Amino acid sequence: EAGVTQSPTHLIKTRGQQATLRCSPISGHTSVYWYQQALGLGLQFLLWYDEGEERNRGNFPPRFSGRQFPNYSSELNVNALELEDSALYLCASPGQGKNEQFFGPGTRLTVL
Amino acid sequence: QKEVEQNSGPLSVPEGAIASLNCTYSDRGSQSFFWYRQYSGKSPELIMFIYSNGDKEDGRFTAQLNKASQYVSLLIRDSQPSDSATYLCAVNQAGGYNKLIFGAGTRLAVHP
Repeated sequence: EAGVTQSPTHLIKTRGQQATLRCSPISGHTSVYWYQQALGLGLQFLLWYDEGEERNRGNFPPRFSGRQFPNYSSELNVNALELEDSALYLCASPGQGKNEQFFGPGTRLTVL
Repeated sequence: QKEVEQNSGPLSVPEGAIASLNCTYSDRGSQSFFWYRQYSGKSPELIMFIYSNGDKEDGRFTAQLNKASQYVSLLIRDSQPSDSATYLCAVNQAGGYNKLIFGAGTRLAVHP
């Protein structure tokens, strides 16, 4: 069973540009969770998608948005990039159990 | 008060010793508790989860939960240099939002 996949591994953008990050959950699962891990701020919840709908959102500005496709893969879009958006963006998927979340390898976004 | 608190460390233990990592949380409604291990530059890996008061053992790892004291701990027996990593405590936000709230992590260093 394939795990959580994310692409790209690294992404370099300049301030003001848009970034698009992609994730596919563990096969057979419909939920995708997005987290940001910025230096000094720890791991913070961004978004939860399930069955194509946004179910919960963390304390982030509207320029962080996303969507989930019919095959349950997901995109995270970050508009009007700011320097402080530089972080490791992690996608997670449920597993076989009750509430566990399993992370993908992450996308390292660098904003110059 | 932070929602999930951990001692940032570093916690330094000799090889073969027991490493004890602690975590407190503020939301009394939380029902699910997780420990992740994160090596430098990598994504977090789920190593233990616990939902009921008491102890849960898996190999060299034991998770302990005390909901009355709002306290979760992770014991690593026979610590190995390969256990050197940052250990993240995570708590599922009450209310079915599927949002994990993470502590800042404790850095563990196991020296030969």
